[in-house]
Amino acid sequence: DSGVTQTPKHLITATGQRVTLRCSPRSGDLSVYWYQQSLDQGLQFLIHYYNGEERAKGNILERFSAQQFPDLHSELNLSSLELGDSALYFCASSARGGRETQYFGPGTRLLVL
Amino acid sequence: GESVGLHLPTLSVQEGDNSIINCAYSNSASDYFIWYKQESGKGPQFIIDIRSNMDKRQGQRVTVLLNKTVKHLSLQIAATQPGDSAVYFCAENIWTSGSRLTFGEGTQLTVNP
Repeated sequence: DSGVTQTPKHLITATGQRVTLRCSPRSGDLSVYWYQQSLDQGLQFLIHYYNGEERAKGNILERFSAQQFPDLHSELNLSSLELGDSALYFCASSARGGRETQYFGPGTRLLVL
Repeated sequence: GESVGLHLPTLSVQEGDNSIINCAYSNSASDYFIWYKQESGKGPQFIIDIRSNMDKRQGQRVTVLLNKTVKHLSLQIAATQPGDSAVYFCAENIWTSGSRLTFGEGTQLTVNP
């Protein structure tokens, strides 16, 4: 157990809908990261937040947004969902946000029908 | 763009043998690398990391070697066990104003009893 928690574990929804994925980092970690894992793209970095501020952005679609709250938990919002958004979404956390180990949560499996 | 890639998608070994998983990276500015293990249905699990000022780092039954001249990483697993069966990813930590991991495609390790 990495200490990173994610909810929900599974999510099934329809195209055009909006969903929110939630992540709680390890106790004491200030940085949260979001990754997408799909069969054709592998593990892809989406976004990094440090202590509530966005620090780095990957190939995150404009339909996707994230935020990190004062209690350091984070949410990833996916809107206008398309079939191709079906994937595993992982949250990771690290102590500060530099060159250090990122610890991954168990993921949320999203299926868009 | 620059990316981290793995040479072999699958590796099959006998229980008790040593396993070697290879990884090539292309960003010469990279200075921190991590190996992760991912079991089916789970998030990536940290195995070992290495910084660019080192050539070798050892953990429990695992060793990571870094060759900066040819931009190559390898993960050696000693006395491979059935529980080692999983997908192994190398990841390159890229730091700009924030931190992100760029993952290789992964190698599926199968340990035969």
